[in-house]
Amino acid sequence: AQTVTQSQPEMSVQEAETVTLSCTYDTSESDYYLFWYKQPPSRQMILVIRQEAYKQQNATENRFSVNFQKAAKSFSLKISDSQLGDAAMYFCAYGNFGNEKLTFGTGTRLTIIP
Amino acid sequence: DGGITQSPKYLFRKEGQNVTLSCEQNLNHDAMYWYRQDPGQGLRLIYYSQIVNDFQKGDIAEGYSVSREKKESFPLTVTSAQKNPTAFYLCATTRRVMGGYTFGSGTRLTVV
Repeated sequence: AQTVTQSQPEMSVQEAETVTLSCTYDTSESDYYLFWYKQPPSRQMILVIRQEAYKQQNATENRFSVNFQKAAKSFSLKISDSQLGDAAMYFCAYGNFGNEKLTFGTGTRLTIIP
Repeated sequence: DGGITQSPKYLFRKEGQNVTLSCEQNLNHDAMYWYRQDPGQGLRLIYYSQIVNDFQKGDIAEGYSVSREKKESFPLTVTSAQKNPTAFYLCATTRRVMGGYTFGSGTRLTVV
């Protein structure tokens, strides 16, 4: 079974600074996809960014980017120019073709320091 | 607007009672999912359904039941057999998992 590990239960960053959240996963598949979800205090889950394993180029969405290291099975999220609205739980998730469900990590709580 | 509606937002259950959480979607998505969220444990899959009248157990199905009689609806019943039901429950849908899920706003269930 696939597993997703987020080893940082909590992180904090100064407003306007950059922070990186870590995620590792375990799989024997070669074709899969990875996601970062944000859960603010409202508890609404929001898709931040996605990456397909066959793509070598790291995904970017505005201030959010990933560092995808396939050989190391690592998928970190970098948030640049952190804003107060970035404060949330962040979940890493894994899915693969033929297995129509996602596996989530335990989450990292990000605090933004004004 | 298309979306997912979970109701109620808050639900209280007495010991020994069954309760049903509602999840309705108008996104025309085939697949629907129920996850349970507990502090420090992330999201754990309870049940999922990829087509009407068919569903599969997830990792923590014991004490829960579901039905999928129509595409738009995937209700979750928390039975009296579930000994620790207090949690936040999230419903999600997708057309294709590779595109990611769309989530509802969740139901907070508390045993009183």
